[in-house]
This record gives sequence, structure tokens and C-alpha cells, in this order.
Amino acid sequence: EVQLVESGGGLVQPGGSLRLSCAVSGFTFSSYEMNWVRQAPGKGLEWVSYISSIGSTIFYADSVKGRFTIARDNAKNSLYLQMNSLRVEDTAVYYCAREVVYDAFDLWGQGTMVTVSS
Amino acid sequence: IQMTQSPSSLSASVGDRVTITCQASQDISKYLNWYQQKPGKAPKLLIYDASKLEVGVPSRFSGSGSGTDFTFTISSLQPEDIATYYCQQHDNLPPYTFGQGTKLEIK
Repeated sequence: EVQLVESGGGLVQPGGSLRLSCAVSGFTFSSYEMNWVRQAPGKGLEWVSYISSIGSTIFYADSVKGRFTIARDNAKNSLYLQMNSLRVEDTAVYYCAREVVYDAFDLWGQGTMVTVSS
Repeated sequence: IQMTQSPSSLSASVGDRVTITCQASQDISKYLNWYQQKPGKAPKLLIYDASKLEVGVPSRFSGSGSGTDFTFTISSLQPEDIATYYCQQHDNLPPYTFGQGTKLEIK
């Protein structure tokens, strides 16, 4: 089955760290660019980060630059998001999303909730 | 690039034609996607490159436009279409900017 499954979310204090994972199955992970997108409670979608198929090109939203790090392990069919110096405003559901050649996100995971609160 | 969707919410009856607009703050050519998100679910790609229907998406969904002004249309609203709809530009990257969303409800 073609799917993305996120994990690693949870409750963390401001200033803390979390590492999200996205396990991929059912397709050739190494052929696809990948993204993280988040959605704060009751709010819209916000793109967070992009990584190319071999990890050579990486982009971040200004809101997370310098605090978040995206990475991938094509041998393990996994995508990661290391989140440091977390802020209350980082509270959101985080989705991993596959990007296809026409620069659209055609496959999404179910999301993992990150709550930053003291 | 800023993406402005309107309206922010919309109430319509089953069978109605529904239209949502998305305006870019600068020319993005045809590089606009549309997503549907049902409550508690991940977004789903419906339309890419302004007017191309993603495989498996019903033909009652369509998109048009280029440059700065885009339109998303449901030709005959069905109960299962209740969701929030988002536009997303992919011309000037990064970032992949989303519109603020349009919440569609049944009247």
C-alpha cells in the first residue's frame, strides 16, 4: 500500500526539541522530493520545509529557519524533521507530503500532533 | 508571494454551482494547485497547474485562470464535498504559499 506514516509528535516545553519521522511504503522513496507542512489548531496550511530526492537541496520557511532541520534516509525509506528551540507557535499537526514532478503534493500522511506548552 | 482566497466561508445547497477565487500578489503563470481538506483528515490534491484534474478526482471539480487570478468550481455540489479548500502557488519557490482556505458548508 502506498502510504506515509508520521510519528514522533507529543507535548514538549518551550525551548525543547522533538524529532518527527515519516515512514514511507509502497513507492520508490528515493525518486521523490518531500515536504513537511503544518496546520495549527483551527488554522490553515503552512509549508515548513522541502528536501530534494537525494537530499542535495533543502528549503525552509522563514518561521522555522535556523531551528528546524529536514533530512532523509533513502535506504530506510524515511523522512525526518528535527525541531529545536520549539515555540508555542510551533504547535500544530505536522504532515509529511510527497511532491510530484508538477510541483504538487499528491500524497500526504495522517499527521502527527506537536504541542508546545509549559 | 501572497495568496488571497475568497470567500473565507461559503454556504450552498446540494446541486449548486460553487466558485472560489484565489488571487496571487504577483504573476504566477499557471502554477497553482487546489486541495480539499475534510475535517480531521489530511489534504487531498484535486487540481494542479491551475486546470489539470488529478487522477481519480470527479469531473465536477474544475479550475481555471492564469497570471494572478484563479477560479475553482464545483459544478454541482454534493454532500461529500463539504470541506475546506486551499489554493497553493508553486511558481516562485520557496515557499510553497497556501491561501488561507475557504470553508464550504451545506445550506
